[in-house]
Amino acid sequence: EAQVTQNPRYLITVTGKKLTVTCSQNMNHEYMSWYRQDPGLGLRQIYYSMNVEVTDKGDVPEGYKVSRKEKRNFPLILESPSPNQTSLYFCASRRTSGGSTDTQYFGPGTRLTVL
Amino acid sequence: EDQVTQSPEALRLQEGESSSLNCSYTVSGLRGLFWYRQDPGKGPEFLFTLYSAGEEKEKERLKATLTKKESFLHITAPKPEDSATYLCAVQAWGAGKSTFGDGTTLTVKP
Repeated sequence: EAQVTQNPRYLITVTGKKLTVTCSQNMNHEYMSWYRQDPGLGLRQIYYSMNVEVTDKGDVPEGYKVSRKEKRNFPLILESPSPNQTSLYFCASRRTSGGSTDTQYFGPGTRLTVL
Repeated sequence: EDQVTQSPEALRLQEGESSSLNCSYTVSGLRGLFWYRQDPGKGPEFLFTLYSAGEEKEKERLKATLTKKESFLHITAPKPEDSATYLCAVQAWGAGKSTFGDGTTLTVKP
């Protein structure tokens, strides 16, 4: 089954404690992306990656890091989380060549609370 | 800066009562306009991509249309299972990032 998986699904942590949210896709997609979703602010893009070792900032990259060492994985790293990073996070992927390049598949979401 | 504005924020319909959702956008060279459906607690699910003014796409009770400034998602004879938040997004040529609107939350009462 084609899917994007994220772990953990729920996380409560404290300010300053480094954390990583993993994202993996099994569709051999070149493009992967991270979004956060907040009430009244909609979905905002944090970082995206057009392919392995190629990453770029989205609209709200401050306080986040990403890496793309393998095609299937795109982890989101919060080096020193703060309460304003409490949010619902989504990972997504899509093809960039061949058919159906615009069908972006989203993961189930990670609900993060930073105390 | 790309911008997407969706209206209304919320829409309540009776089953069978057709209506439309609006997505107004500004983008420097539209590569594509995307519609998604999002159920509570879940990730967005892709519905349509529209590329140029005048284009239309249909899927079951949904029909998306596009002009140079806005897109409409028409819902014909909706059912309670159509209740969800509908998101609109745009992507510019040469840009890897997408810009989303805040969504319209649709509730269809039986």
